[in-house]
Amino acid sequence: KQEVTQIPAALSVPEGENLVLNCSFTDSAIYNLQWFRQDPGKGLTSLLLIQSSQREQTSGRLNASLDKSSGRSTLYIAASQPGDSATYLCAVKGNYGGSQGNLIFGKGTKLSVKP
Amino acid sequence: NAGVTQTPKFQVLKTGQSMTLQCAQDMNHNSMYWYRQDPGMGLRLIYYSASEGTTDKGEVPNGYNVSRLNKREFSLRLESAAPSQTSVYFCASSERGPYTEAFFGQGTRLTVV
Repeated sequence: KQEVTQIPAALSVPEGENLVLNCSFTDSAIYNLQWFRQDPGKGLTSLLLIQSSQREQTSGRLNASLDKSSGRSTLYIAASQPGDSATYLCAVKGNYGGSQGNLIFGKGTKLSVKP
Repeated sequence: NAGVTQTPKFQVLKTGQSMTLQCAQDMNHNSMYWYRQDPGMGLRLIYYSASEGTTDKGEVPNGYNVSRLNKREFSLRLESAAPSQTSVYFCASSERGPYTEAFFGQGTRLTVV
């Protein structure tokens, strides 16, 4: 059974720091991995999608890497800003429950960037 | 471009009452999903619809029913609400197939008292 773990559960950093969020998964047979941002009381916003054949994806100050063989992904945030404060969720897509579209989520890392 | 729209945003029910959560997407996606998010549990799949006319159970389907009304709309029904169904419910959609990106709605916060 696929399990997704995100460490740490919470992280507080001063503004301007570069930081790394970690995601690990137990079954390397995935189709892709998606990073989401969730603001308090809000929905999930897709940040980056990495296909299983890719090593990394970049969008602005965000860079996500994927090492499928070791079951790890990292989300790198450069020059963090208070506006980056949110919960970041990692999810993997695989053939779960007979469907090719189901996502298995980690529990998230709650990031706080202090001015 | 609204993406995935859920209604209502908030709801309080009494135990035993029924209600339907509505979801609509305007991205012409084939696949749609219902998840619930609980503290300490993360998001878990309730039901999904790989394409119009099909629905299947996810990880936590007990106490729920779904209807794929058409390609755009996918509803989730609670026939007899229980306090254990207090949660935040998210609808999502994607193109059909394994290598596609999922898009989520803003959620429905449901409290059952």
